[in-house]
Amino acid sequence: NAGVTQTPKFRVLKTGQSMTLLCAQDMNHEYMYWYRQDPGMGLRLIHYSVGEGTTAKGEVPDGYNVSRLKKQNFLLGLESAAPSQTSVYFCASSYVDSYEQYFGPGTRLTVT
Amino acid sequence: AQRVTQPEKLLSVFKGAPVELKCNYSYSGSPELFWYVQYSRQRLQLLLRHISRESIKGFTADLNKGETSFHLKKPFAQEEDSAMYYCALLNTGFQKLVFGTGTRLLVSP
Repeated sequence: NAGVTQTPKFRVLKTGQSMTLLCAQDMNHEYMYWYRQDPGMGLRLIHYSVGEGTTAKGEVPDGYNVSRLKKQNFLLGLESAAPSQTSVYFCASSYVDSYEQYFGPGTRLTVT
Repeated sequence: AQRVTQPEKLLSVFKGAPVELKCNYSYSGSPELFWYVQYSRQRLQLLLRHISRESIKGFTADLNKGETSFHLKKPFAQEEDSAMYYCALLNTGFQKLVFGTGTRLLVSP
């Protein structure tokens, strides 16, 4: 099992460009999450999904959109990137009613 | 509102010294608390949860509801314990984790 994978690992964008981060999990988890990690801020939840076709906003959803068309994939989109979105992005997944989340390796995004 | 506070950004100790990473929380219900760890160039992973009352890699954490704390302790730190540690609170209603800002533990030889 690959667990949770994220694509790409690194990316540099210019302000105003768009991109999509892909998260994939092969553990048949129902729940999936997108976090951003910033120095001094810890991990903050951007969006999450409790099942295929459903998404919900987390703590810091502005400037991001998500889609969960397939159970194993959770996409995070930036329509018009801003320097404030420079961060490390982590995807995670978990079983229903499980306390343990499994994390991906992260995507380091820089917006110039 | 749920909140997790980790007051120390960096904790630096010598090998063999005791370690205590502080975590305080605010939650109106019955809390479920966890410690996650991120070693250098590795993924964030679960270290332990308060319900299990287990010791993982020599670390323990006791939930103190009176003080709303869940401090992580180890009697004798090892160099391989150097990592970023996050305390997290589970919002059971929405199955979401609320993370603290993290404490970087640096264990020097």
